[in-house]
Amino acid sequence: AQSVSQHNHHVILSEAASLELGCNYSYGGTVNLFWYVQYPGQHLQLLLKYFSGDPLVKGIKGFEAEFIKSKFSFNLRKPSVQWSDTAEYFCAVNPDSWGKLQFGAGTQVVVTP
Amino acid sequence: SAVISQKPSRDICQRGTSLTIQCQVDSQVTMMFWYRQQPGQSLTLIATANQGSEATYESGFVIDKFPISRPNLTFSTLTVSNMSPEDSSIYLCSVLAENTGELFFGEGSRLTVL
Repeated sequence: AQSVSQHNHHVILSEAASLELGCNYSYGGTVNLFWYVQYPGQHLQLLLKYFSGDPLVKGIKGFEAEFIKSKFSFNLRKPSVQWSDTAEYFCAVNPDSWGKLQFGAGTQVVVTP
Repeated sequence: SAVISQKPSRDICQRGTSLTIQCQVDSQVTMMFWYRQQPGQSLTLIATANQGSEATYESGFVIDKFPISRPNLTFSTLTVSNMSPEDSSIYLCSVLAENTGELFFGEGSRLTVL
């Protein structure tokens, strides 16, 4: 079955540590890729997206993601996290129609001071 | 960006009843969607709300259970009918910014069915 897999359900790390969240998808063909974030008590918002072009995508708040087509991956990274990065992070794939996203299970990230 | 307001933000409902969730957008949008996030799970698309025609439902979701209205380009409703505890979820309205391909989400409506 077509799916989106996020490797970690919970990640705990200290401020200034580096963060990498894995995301793999199983759709063939052309896909559009997204990372969304949900801060505590807030709605989902877009961190970054990849449609085409440079596979290294930079988003808001110092996040970046790399699309590796051969590995069907779109991993999210941040070199140095802050306490305010505590949130749930969702990888999503848009394999066909715009707006019809397939989401991963989400990764809860907790950054300790 | 689009600002999306949902009502109610949360509710506690009795088994067998129905509840209608409203979604209001601050600008006209063509594409509007309803998602569900069950406890401990990810988001799942319920349906695409089409203006002026019947909604398009995803596999596993049917109109009798989740009737949707879309009377204009800024408003939609989702009804959760004949609720059971399994319907306890967060229901999210989202709209597509066609110029960027970004989906904007409302804050969600958290339903608890007893």
